[in-house]
This record gives sequence, structure tokens and C-alpha cells, in this order.
Amino acid sequence: DAGITQSPRHKVTETGTPVTLRCHQTENHRYMYWYRQDPGHGLRLIHYSYGVKDTDKGEVSDGYSVSRSKTEDFLLTLESATSSQTSVYFCAISEGQAGGYGYTFGSGTRLTVV
Amino acid sequence: GENVEQHPSTLSVQEGDSAVIKCTYSDSASNYFPWYKQELGKGPQLIIDIRSNVGEKKDQRIAVTLNKTAKHFSLHITETQPEDSAVYFCAASKWGAGNMLTFGGGTRLMVKP
Repeated sequence: DAGITQSPRHKVTETGTPVTLRCHQTENHRYMYWYRQDPGHGLRLIHYSYGVKDTDKGEVSDGYSVSRSKTEDFLLTLESATSSQTSVYFCAISEGQAGGYGYTFGSGTRLTVV
Repeated sequence: GENVEQHPSTLSVQEGDSAVIKCTYSDSASNYFPWYKQELGKGPQLIIDIRSNVGEKKDQRIAVTLNKTAKHFSLHITETQPEDSAVYFCAASKWGAGNMLTFGGGTRLMVKP
């Protein structure tokens, strides 16, 4: 997707190990989001950022932390991966706050915790 | 908080037929309703959106309608084509700081040639 890239695209990790996913944008958008997508649950917000070093929790934030040291990068860390965190993770960006602004999503990271 | 319900979860239509996906929301203050299309292996992509001061919006074969009184909105795709096959998500939010998009559970649309 233009302007937003996620890395890695696929990852397999062992239970109990830390994992960091990266989202990089070239649009200079202020707002960035991390979602997870699971069958039957749609898209659920993990964390979001409204500026450099400004982040807040979403509905499913337990076991995850984020950091944003630069406008273009938003990192999602699984502090100690568990099998329940096997999922597809999407980063999204928006020009303005949610109300009235659509999101642009990255292509996703498929994470498998074994 | 906001809750968005989406129906049906799967929808199969013949090529050329119309498809309708419906969503309901719980927060009467919500005023922005986008729809996303997700193709296999890709991220969701915004295809159309509507704001609460508008009852209907069209873009070629796609239209969205909004009934604020009943708190539901729908996506209509006419003259469906095989390339319309994908998962579709509705979402809702309120204007203002701290308001995130809440997504429905998704509809898998299959268009049979």
C-alpha cells in the first residue's frame, strides 16, 4: 500500500520470546494505529499514536507495548509472545482524528507463535 | 462504547446480481461511516464513506445508505463482478479527539461467474 509499509510480512516465533513489528509511513500523518485481525472478531484496536511519543491503549492492549520516536515509525512489541497472539497485525495511518477521516492500512504481518 | 454489528457474515451472488451488506451501530452520536474492502493477503482499503448529514452516496457501482433514526447503514454493489469478491468491513466513529473507528465483523462476498 502506497506510503505505508509493515515489516516483517511473516514471522514465526516461540512462546515467551519478545517480538517487535514495525510500521513505517512516508505520508507524514500524525495518527498511527495497530490492529489485530482474527476470524470472527474483525479488526480490533491494540494501541494508537497521536504524535511522537504520544500513545494510548486500545481495546486489546494487554501483552503489547508500542513506541513512536519518529513521525514515520510506529513499533509494536509483544513483550512475551503467547499462542493467543497468533494473528494478522495491521498498521494504519490517518491524516486526522478518526471522526471523518478514513484509514490507510498496511499489508499486514502474519505472526505465528508456536 | 460503540458496537457495530454486520450481516451477513458470508454472501454468495451470481455475477451481474446485486449485493447488499448491512450494519447497525449503537452510539447515536456516531457520524462517520466508512466501508473497507479487503482482498486476500492485503490490508483493508477504503472504498466509500458517508457522513451523518448525508442519506446516500454513490460511486459508480457502489452506494452506501444511512438511516440515522434506525442506526443502520448499508453497502450496495450493483452488477457484481468476480473482482468484487473480497471481505468487506463497515465501521463507525464520532467526530473529535480520542474517537477511533469501530469495525464490524466483516462480510465475505463471493461472486460466482
